[in-house]
Amino acid sequence: GDSVTQMEGPVTLSEEAFLTINCTYTATGYPSLFWYVQYPGEGLQLLLKATKADDKGSNKGFEATYRKETTSFHLEKGSVQVSDSAVYFCALSGGSGAGSYQLTFGKGTKLSVIP
Amino acid sequence: DADVTQTPRNRITKTGKRIMLECSQTKGHDRMYWYRQDPGLGLRLIYYSFDVKDINKGEISDGYSVSRQAQAKFSLSLESAIPNQTALYFCATSAQGRYNEQFFGPGTRLTVL
Repeated sequence: GDSVTQMEGPVTLSEEAFLTINCTYTATGYPSLFWYVQYPGEGLQLLLKATKADDKGSNKGFEATYRKETTSFHLEKGSVQVSDSAVYFCALSGGSGAGSYQLTFGKGTKLSVIP
Repeated sequence: DADVTQTPRNRITKTGKRIMLECSQTKGHDRMYWYRQDPGLGLRLIYYSFDVKDINKGEISDGYSVSRQAQAKFSLSLESAIPNQTALYFCATSAQGRYNEQFFGPGTRLTVL
């Protein structure tokens, strides 16, 4: 079945540092890939998405590129802020599994940004 | 106003009690989902519904049931709550279509003593 593996946290960075959160996936076919963010005490919000190979999703300074050859969708930001402190989830849909329109999530990576 | 609402936001109950969590949406989406979130495990799908007459089990449906009362309402029930159902529960919705962007409610924190 489909699966998503993302780097374990927690990750602690100083403000203005460069962020990378690794995400790799296993799926057949042509899944869509997503990054969701969960701020403390809130539900998940879509951060960015990519629907086909080599697409780059971007939003709020975050970027991720859909790499089919390496089955990866790593999240990056050039300069993090304290307000980016949250839990980040990589997810996919449209893979080969039963109910292919469901989302399959990674376990989440907690990011803390200190001033 | 929030597009996806969940009630209650917090609930503490005892083992063996029946609990219902409710979800309503104003996004006009056909598809609705229930997930639970546990620390270190991410989100796992409990049930999903593609329309009022189409309800499907997800990865971890044992001990749960659902009801899709209308396009806009999707309820999750724990018939006899047990402590390992203590978790954060999220409802989500999506429109039809391949790219399946899901919109989440604020969550219900359930504690079973």
